[in-house]
Amino acid sequence: EDKVVQSPLSLVVHEGDTVTLNCSYEVTNFRSLLWYKQEKKAPTFLFMLTSSGIEKKSGRLSSILDKKELFSILNITATQTGDSAVYLCAVGYGGSQGNLIFGKGTKLSVKP
Amino acid sequence: KAGVTQTPRYLIKTRGQQVTLSCSPISGHRSVSWYQQTPGQGLQFLFEYFSETQRNKGNFPGRFSGRQFSNSRSEMNVSTLELGDSALYLCASSLGGAHGYTFGSGTRLTVV
Repeated sequence: EDKVVQSPLSLVVHEGDTVTLNCSYEVTNFRSLLWYKQEKKAPTFLFMLTSSGIEKKSGRLSSILDKKELFSILNITATQTGDSAVYLCAVGYGGSQGNLIFGKGTKLSVKP
Repeated sequence: KAGVTQTPRYLIKTRGQQVTLSCSPISGHRSVSWYQQTPGQGLQFLFEYFSETQRNKGNFPGRFSGRQFSNSRSEMNVSTLELGDSALYLCASSLGGAHGYTFGSGTRLTVV
């Protein structure tokens, strides 16, 4: 059965810390891996990764995919209280991008 | 540029009733997907539409159905509501390629 597993499930850090969120997957016909940030309702798109070893960066956030070991990490440096959210990892599979398998998410809490 | 619009935002229905939820994608986006989010199961894929055709369907009973109109707006219908259908229903649209999916704020359905 296809699955996406995120760890840790929750994390509490202080402002300024660096965090690493993990996502491993077992999905047939892998197409892409996506990261989303969910604060209240609508998940916000962060990254889409399709190739191994190529880091994607956006400000203090970065992510990389390892298709051999079937995992991805999301790094957040110099965390701020505004980074507090649930971070979701999703894997797209098959012939279209529309169907995503989501992990249960990592709840990040950043304390001042 | 307007985002993905879902209506209504909140809905309370009684067991056995049916409900229709609406989603207007970002202008120009032809792909629309629907997801159910619950605390226990997380985000689960319902179905994906592209150019009025259902391209993929998740593992949900036949009580869950959807459609897409020529203007790319989509609706999903749930018949014979059960208590377990209480959830946040999220719609997402995409331009395709490396753009990922943009989610709406969802419809919170409560079945009593």
